[in-house]
Amino acid sequence: QKEVEQNSGPLSVPEGAIASLNCTYSDRVSQSFFWYRQYSGKSPELIMSIYSNGDKEDGRFTAQLNKASQYVSLLIRDSQPSDSATYLCAVKNDYGGSQGNLIFGKGTKLSVKP
Amino acid sequence: DTEVTQTPKHLVMGMTNKKSLKCEQHMGHRAMYWYKQKAKKPPELMFVYSYEKLSINESVPSRFSPECPNSSLLNLHLHALQPEDSALYLCASAQWSGIGEQFFGPGTRLTVL
Repeated sequence: QKEVEQNSGPLSVPEGAIASLNCTYSDRVSQSFFWYRQYSGKSPELIMSIYSNGDKEDGRFTAQLNKASQYVSLLIRDSQPSDSATYLCAVKNDYGGSQGNLIFGKGTKLSVKP
Repeated sequence: DTEVTQTPKHLVMGMTNKKSLKCEQHMGHRAMYWYKQKAKKPPELMFVYSYEKLSINESVPSRFSPECPNSSLLNLHLHALQPEDSALYLCASAQWSGIGEQFFGPGTRLTVL
């Protein structure tokens, strides 16, 4: 059973701080990793994709990937109350049944306090 | 046009009703997906269409019937649903089924009475 694990939270950070969201995955051959943001009652929104080891930055967001440790993270710098949402980590299934589809973690709820 | 649209936004139906959910994208994507999401849970894959052909059915009960009339449209026909089928139904699309970047529509909030 391929798994994606996230702390469910809630993760509470003060406004302006760095929020760090973590994700581990079980399938060593996975190559593609995604972070989705989901506001309460809304649909998931793709915010970051990462495919290579290292860091990828997009504005206030940085995704970090370490394939050796099977670990992917999302850093949010200068956190704002509008960043309060559930963040879903997703890993593309690269072989076997349902190949090409996403395996989602259960999500981490982030709360940014003013 | 860079978005996926879904109608209706909300739907309330009885267990004997027949209804349909609709999804549309004009991004030229050739893979389209139906997901079901319950509260505080991640999206759960139901069906995948690749180049207008059903490629994956994740053991979904037959009371859910997908249809892909053309490359831009995806329907989900509902019949004889149960109250436990109440959920947010999400449509997503991707350039093709082997790529992971999927873009979600706003969803249809379904309540079965």
